[in-house]
Amino acid sequence: GNSVTQMEGPVTLSEEAFLTINCTYTATGYPSLFWYVQYPGEGLQLLLKATKADDKGSNKGFEATYRKETTSFHLEKGSVQVSDSAVYFCAGMDSNYQLIWGAGTKLIIKP
Amino acid sequence: DAGVTQSPTHLIKTRGQQVTLRCSPKSGHDTVSWYQQALGQGPQFIFQYYEEEERQRGNFPDRFSGHQFPNYSSELNVNALLLGDSALYLCASSSYRTAYSGNTIYFGEGSWLTVV
Repeated sequence: GNSVTQMEGPVTLSEEAFLTINCTYTATGYPSLFWYVQYPGEGLQLLLKATKADDKGSNKGFEATYRKETTSFHLEKGSVQVSDSAVYFCAGMDSNYQLIWGAGTKLIIKP
Repeated sequence: DAGVTQSPTHLIKTRGQQVTLRCSPKSGHDTVSWYQQALGQGPQFIFQYYEEEERQRGNFPDRFSGHQFPNYSSELNVNALLLGDSALYLCASSSYRTAYSGNTIYFGEGSWLTVV
């Protein structure tokens, strides 16, 4: 069945550092892919998405490109801020339009 | 415009008890999905309700049941609670017609259930 694997955390960076959180997926076909963010004490929020190969999703300075050849959807940001500290989830949509989730990566940004 | 609202936000139950969690979807949404998120893990799909019927179900035992009301709100019931049921229970609302796009899925802040 479909599955999503993302790098384990926590990832600890200094403010203004470059961020990469890896995500790979296993699926039949090419599902839509998503990054969600969960700030402390809050629910899940859609950060960005891509619906087909080579699509690039972007929002709030974050980007991720749907790479069919490597089945990856890595999240990147050029300069992180303390306010980016959160848990980031990679997810793919299965054929029943349900989300299959990675385990989440906790990001800690130090001033 | 209220988003997805869930209640209660926190509760503690004893093993063997039963619990009911509630969700009101975002205005204009007609579909409610429930997820279980154990500490340090990603959400796991429990089931989805549309038109007051369970449409899809994840790999959860029959102890987990639900209901959707005519106003689209929903309840999640868990019977015979186990320690392993301790988790954050998330409600997600969407429009059935546009669920495929993913970007119409909105999540509530969840209900923290602790089973002791």
